Amino acid sequence: AQSVTQLDSQVPVFEEAPVELRCNYSSSVSVYLFWYVQYPNQGLQLLLKYLSGSTLVKGINGFEAEFNKSQTSFHLRKPSVHISDTAEYFCAVSDRAGGFKTIFGAGTRLFVKA
Amino acid sequence: GAGVSQSPSNKVTEKGKDVELRCDPISGHTALYWYRQSLGQGLEFLIYFQGNSAPDKSGLPSDRFSAERTGGSVSTLTIQRTQQEDSAVYLCASSFLNSGQSEQFFGPGTRLTVL
Repeated sequence: AQSVTQLDSQVPVFEEAPVELRCNYSSSVSVYLFWYVQYPNQGLQLLLKYLSGSTLVKGINGFEAEFNKSQTSFHLRKPSVHISDTAEYFCAVSDRAGGFKTIFGAGTRLFVKA
Repeated sequence: GAGVSQSPSNKVTEKGKDVELRCDPISGHTALYWYRQSLGQGLEFLIYFQGNSAPDKSGLPSDRFSAERTGGSVSTLTIQRTQQEDSAVYLCASSFLNSGQSEQFFGPGTRLTVL
């Protein structure tokens, strides 16, 4: 069965510092991987997704993620964060075995400090 | 409309009452999803629709929860005899297809409080 683990519930970081939000998944077949972001008082929106091909995926607002099949990870990174990146970030996975049901992680709250 | 809309935005009800939550997906989107977001719990999958049929109802917490979709568009999530543990934000999303690859577009959610 699919599962998604986001290892950090909260990540505080100073403005202009780099950040990595960790995500590990469990799936026995080929997967599709997503990162969604939820800004304060807003709905979730897609940051980036991995379907196939290059393992390094670039998304909006300078974020990128790397698919690592051997480590079953899909960590999200940004080299320099801004105050406006403060939000909740959700990793998600879907696969054929799960009927393409998308399973979301518990979320990581990124808090960027001045 | 341009995005997914949900109504009401907030609902306060008394334990034991029934509630109906509505979702209007993006026009043309064939797949529609319901999730529940509780504090610190992430998004819990409830049910999804492909057209008007629901191939996967496995996430519905109990038989007090039901959902329907009519005309391949609007969906209603009904919770009967509400309990305090039903308090959460209920999110609806839609996508063009349910192939697993499609981006899901989320509504703003309905915050349900059961007193």
